[in-house]
Amino acid sequence: GQQLNQSPQSMFIQEGEDVSMNCTSSSIFNTWLWYKQDPGEGPVLLIALYKAGELTSNGRLTAQFGITRKDSFLNISASIPSDVGIYFCAGRTNTGNQFYFGTGTSLTVIP
Amino acid sequence: DTEVTQTPKHLVMGMTNKKSLKCEQHMGHRAMYWYKQKAKKPPELMFVYSYEKLSINESVPSRFSPECPNSSLLNLHLHALQPEDSALYLCASSQGLLRRGTSYEQYFGPGTRLTVT
Repeated sequence: GQQLNQSPQSMFIQEGEDVSMNCTSSSIFNTWLWYKQDPGEGPVLLIALYKAGELTSNGRLTAQFGITRKDSFLNISASIPSDVGIYFCAGRTNTGNQFYFGTGTSLTVIP
Repeated sequence: DTEVTQTPKHLVMGMTNKKSLKCEQHMGHRAMYWYKQKAKKPPELMFVYSYEKLSINESVPSRFSPECPNSSLLNLHLHALQPEDSALYLCASSQGLLRRGTSYEQYFGPGTRLTVT
């Protein structure tokens, strides 16, 4: 299946700092989704992106659909302790019927 | 409302048991998915149902048997599982299987934590 590389693998940041993470694919994607997952819970959809170059915000979160359509970025501004969790990207090609998931970024926020 | 519900929350079963996981959504979504997830790994797709028909089976062993009784319900029947099948099982749904030029968001349930002893 498709392999999505997500980086960084983990981040340890101070409360109040901004966070950036990205996801890259070897294939062109038509849709990018970003999820946050808490331990033992299901992933929660944060942002959905549908067009190359699209920039979408959800509160302190901003995500972008890369111009090449092979990457996507998620930024979190002014991090707070409840931002702790694992963030996954997921992408879909224009011919596939499934979403392919990135390897995940584990975020730890130090108060 | 973007809720997908799953029962039970936790399940412990022996290798000779038969059990079922249940998933329900009332968003009018016509595609439903089963994923398996190990700790700190991304979800792995198992099955996809579209309009109550099995669309994708990712070479899942036959000890996992999916069933879609109607457009709102999805079951996963378990039989003769192995300890390595212990994982978080996630159900998800989306508006429909994706066609060229359209895109749909996928929503997950809270998962069932399965332990096989």
